[in-house]
Amino acid sequence: DAGVTQSPTHLIKTRGQQVTLRCSPKSGHDTVSWYQQALGQGPQFIFQYYEEEERQRGNFPDRFSGHQFPNYSSELNVNALLLGDSALYLCASSNRDRGGTGELFFGEGSRLTVL
Amino acid sequence: LAKTTQPISMDSYEGQEVNITCSHNNIATNDYITWYQQFPSQGPRFIIQGYKTKVTNEVASLFIPADRKSSTLSLPRVSLSDTAVYYCLVGPQTGANNLFFGTGTRLTVIP
Repeated sequence: DAGVTQSPTHLIKTRGQQVTLRCSPKSGHDTVSWYQQALGQGPQFIFQYYEEEERQRGNFPDRFSGHQFPNYSSELNVNALLLGDSALYLCASSNRDRGGTGELFFGEGSRLTVL
Repeated sequence: LAKTTQPISMDSYEGQEVNITCSHNNIATNDYITWYQQFPSQGPRFIIQGYKTKVTNEVASLFIPADRKSSTLSLPRVSLSDTAVYYCLVGPQTGANNLFFGTGTRLTVIP
């Protein structure tokens, strides 16, 4: 049973560029959430997708957008990259009916470096 | 979601019991207390969750007093592999994915 998988694991971009990160949820899960984790900080909630729609959003600008596909996988897109976007981007999956503080499964993340 | 306060860091020798306390004064009636563990360059991993009194699993115990304004994660006989950041979260058991992690407690286990 595959857990949450994310790609790529590492990538380097320059300021102003755009990036797309991908996530496949754990088998049986239908909800995907994205988190940004800066160095030395805890993860910060970006947004959540369920039934291919954004359901909740944290305090992130519109440069951060996402998508969920019919197979429940998801993408996180960040436009006009800033140096401050350098972070570990984590995807977490859950089942809608069970999603909550005890039912999130995280991937190992995509480490983005913006130069 | 209720905010939490935890010590920034703790050190412990191998084989000792470690207790990490979390304050959550604004916990709501339907909130649960959940602890996650995170190793460097990995995603957080669920450890334990509870609502009141005591919960124990194969990894840890969680102690919650009657007023629920704090909780204590207890790790028995820690080993070097328990070196990680531990996050205390407070929120509904179901229906909320916008978790507030805070900065967590960095536990360092010393040989």
